[in-house]
Amino acid sequence: QQPVQSPQAVILREGEDAVINCSSSKALYSVHWYRQKHGEAPVFLMILLKGGEQKGHEKISASFNEKKQQSSLYLTASQLSYSGTYFCGTPQGGSEKLVFGKGTKLTVNP
Amino acid sequence: DTAVSQTPKYLVTQMGNDKSIKCEQNLGHDTMYWYKQDSKKFLKIMFSYNNKELIINETVPNRFSPKSPDKAHLNLHINSLELGDSAVYFCASSRPGTVNTEAFFGQGTRLTVV
Repeated sequence: QQPVQSPQAVILREGEDAVINCSSSKALYSVHWYRQKHGEAPVFLMILLKGGEQKGHEKISASFNEKKQQSSLYLTASQLSYSGTYFCGTPQGGSEKLVFGKGTKLTVNP
Repeated sequence: DTAVSQTPKYLVTQMGNDKSIKCEQNLGHDTMYWYKQDSKKFLKIMFSYNNKELIINETVPNRFSPKSPDKAHLNLHINSLELGDSAVYFCASSRPGTVNTEAFFGQGTRLTVV
């Protein structure tokens, strides 16, 4: 079951904040976040393993609400380098199969 | 040193041809994957190998055949290429246990079938 991401696209000015959501109709065992810049490979940001866990990477942080079966990625004081497509991924049934959402395209303008 | 490397980076070929994409990782990981990313940027898993053994085989046409000669290599062979096969193919690797390990992606192979 593919996780659902929202919004599909976000346009920000440098310094603004954004939130990207990832939800699933099935139980989430963990949530992975990746960022893919145009023409490049996806790059790992963080994994959240337990309900309520929060993590940070630079000024990017994420939370995981196991009960609500969702995770949110918070981008604070966005920089131009944050532009890219953000994917959340969840292992199906705790297996090796990592299924990604359709991605959220983030554009940060000067 | 590149952790996960794919060759070629670009591949343009005619319909009906057979082509291969090679992938190598020097991270010592046991698990390797092939993902397909279509024009809408949807990343879909195709295959996963753990220590040379196939563990995930998604609903992919039989024309696609992965081969893992050793745990550091996972190649993808595609027979009778079709227009719909045009996409970017990413190889990735991770330690066993996707639940709590990150995946490292190669730079991708952009396949264009004409």
